Formats: sequence, structure tokens, C-alpha cells
Amino acid sequence: GNSVTQMEGPVTLSEEAFLTINCTYTATGYPSLFWYVQYPGEGLQLLLKATKADDKGSNKGFEATYRKETTSFHLEKGSVQVSDSAVYFCALSGGSGNTPLVFGKGTRLSVIA
Amino acid sequence: EAGVTQSPTHLIKTRGQQATLRCSPISGHTSVYWYQQALGLGLQFLLWYDEGEERNRGNFPPRFSGRQFPNYSSELNVNALELEDSALYLCASSLDSGYSNQPQHFGDGTRLSIL
Repeated sequence: GNSVTQMEGPVTLSEEAFLTINCTYTATGYPSLFWYVQYPGEGLQLLLKATKADDKGSNKGFEATYRKETTSFHLEKGSVQVSDSAVYFCALSGGSGNTPLVFGKGTRLSVIA
Repeated sequence: EAGVTQSPTHLIKTRGQQATLRCSPISGHTSVYWYQQALGLGLQFLLWYDEGEERNRGNFPPRFSGRQFPNYSSELNVNALELEDSALYLCASSLDSGYSNQPQHFGDGTRLSIL
């Protein structure tokens, strides 16, 4: 079945540091890939998405590239801010038919000033 | 545009009781998904409704059930509540489920606490 593996947290960074959160997946067919962010006490917000190989999703300074050859969708940001502190979830949908989202376990990011 | 709305925000029940959680999707969205976010277990898929029909369910017992109404809103019902049902229940909606690349948009969830 489909699965997502993302790096364990928590991750603590200083403001303006470079962020990478690794995500790899297993899926049949051609899934769509997503990053969601969850701020304290809130639901999930879609951060970015990519629907086919070599697509790059980007939003609010975050980027992730759909790499089929390495089955990866790593999240990056060049300069994090305190306001980026949240839990980040990698997820996939689809593949060999329409399916609900399969999530990684989430990575908690804390950015300190 | 209003987002996905869920009610109630918090719900406190005791073991053996029944709980009903409600979700209103974004206008125009026909698919509604329910997920459970339990501490330490991550996000687990519960149920998927589209055009009033149950399309798929996750690995949860039958006491978790739901329905989708003609206006596409949805209810999640949990019977015979157990302590392990304490979790944040998230509802999401998306456009036509015929395309697997339609992103899901989430509500803020209902926090269910079982005493």
C-alpha cells in the first residue's frame, strides 16, 4: 500500500537558518504529493503541492520538488522565521486510483529568535 | 470564501456514550473526508464521502460511521465511546473526486475527550 516516511522531529533552528525536512514515499502509479502545515490549536493548511514528476511546488518561501527517481518530496526554505514554528506533514494522494490522503507522522519545527 | 467548518470545537463524553461531529465543506466541494489525529498516532484516514455515498473507509471498527447529506455536509458518529477515541477529528473537503490531484482543505477540527 501507499506510505509516507518523513524525518523525525523535533527540529529546532535559529531564525534565518536553512530548513530541510525530508520526505520519501511508496506508491503505485503516479501519486500527487502535498505538504501541509499545522499551527498550534488549528487544523491543517495546504502549504504546497506537486502533481507529477519534476514539478516544483512553492508557497511562502517554501519549496519542494517531486523526484520520482528517488521517490522524494523534501521541503526546503532558505530562511526560516519564528512564525514558521509548526508541525509539517508530508502526504500523498492517488496513484493507482483515487485515494484519501496518506500522511507522514509529522515533523515539529521550532524556530528561535 | 468560507472554509471548512466543524462543530462543535470541543466535545466531552464518557465511556459508552455516543458522539456526533459535524462538518460543512467549502461551497462547491462534493467530497468530504474524516481523519483522526490521536496523540502519538499521527493522522489516520477514517471515512470518505462523495455525492452522498461512502467511497472508502479506513481501518476503524464499525462503531465509527457517518453520512453525507444532500447539501454535502457530513456527520461522523462514534458509538460506544472508548478512552482511546480521545483525539482531534479533522474534516476535509475537495472538489470532484474524479481527479486524484485535487487538494483537500481542512477544518480546525473537533477535539473529542473521553472521560
